[in-house]
Amino acid sequence: EVQLVESGGGLVQPGGSLRLSCAASGFTFSNYAMNWVRQAPGKGLEWLSYISSSSSTIYYADSVKGRFTISRDTAKNSLFLQMNSLRDEDTAVYYCARIYSSSSRINDYWGQGTLVTVSS
Amino acid sequence: QLVLTQSPSASASLGASVKLTCTLSSGHSSYAIAWHQQQPEKGPRYLMRLNSDGSHNKGDGIPDRFSGSSSGAERYLTISSLQSEDEADYYCQTWGTGIWVFGGGTKLTVL
Repeated sequence: EVQLVESGGGLVQPGGSLRLSCAASGFTFSNYAMNWVRQAPGKGLEWLSYISSSSSTIYYADSVKGRFTISRDTAKNSLFLQMNSLRDEDTAVYYCARIYSSSSRINDYWGQGTLVTVSS
Repeated sequence: QLVLTQSPSASASLGASVKLTCTLSSGHSSYAIAWHQQQPEKGPRYLMRLNSDGSHNKGDGIPDRFSGSSSGAERYLTISSLQSEDEADYYCQTWGTGIWVFGGGTKLTVL
């Protein structure tokens, strides 16, 4: 059974940093690209970042470019999101999601999310 | 610019059918999309991948009540024999080079 479990969320002050993790199991993690997606309270889904299976290709949404860094550790079957210079508007539930395939880059499995609250 | 447009809300009666629409922006009518369901207080759940020709591949355990179809730039999700647990937000998703896009979501109310 495919499972994605996010962790690392919490309360952080504006300007602070946080590192999110996503533990993957039930599939060969090294074969799949991954996304981070977030959802602000009462809002829709917003794509944040993509990392290819080999980490050779990385993309960011403009809203987080220069502040967030995506990475992965194949040995630990884990995906990460380093978030720096956090702003109030970064308050959201953060999800990791698996990419279906290289030719069909939709998300076919999602984690349950981890809540990040940016507030003083 | 790659954009997906969804109606904010829809409603239908228990046991009835409903058809939700996701519209691709001009110039992107050949794109495949995915439909995702998000029940209250839960993470999204992948429902299906839907191609421009209407062919679709559903996710694990998705009931036959859920089906997809396409016409031009429009992608549809039809839910038949509505059940109370189908009350949820439904999002469409697509991708381009270096970008992933979600529609604004449709909140489905089961009456």
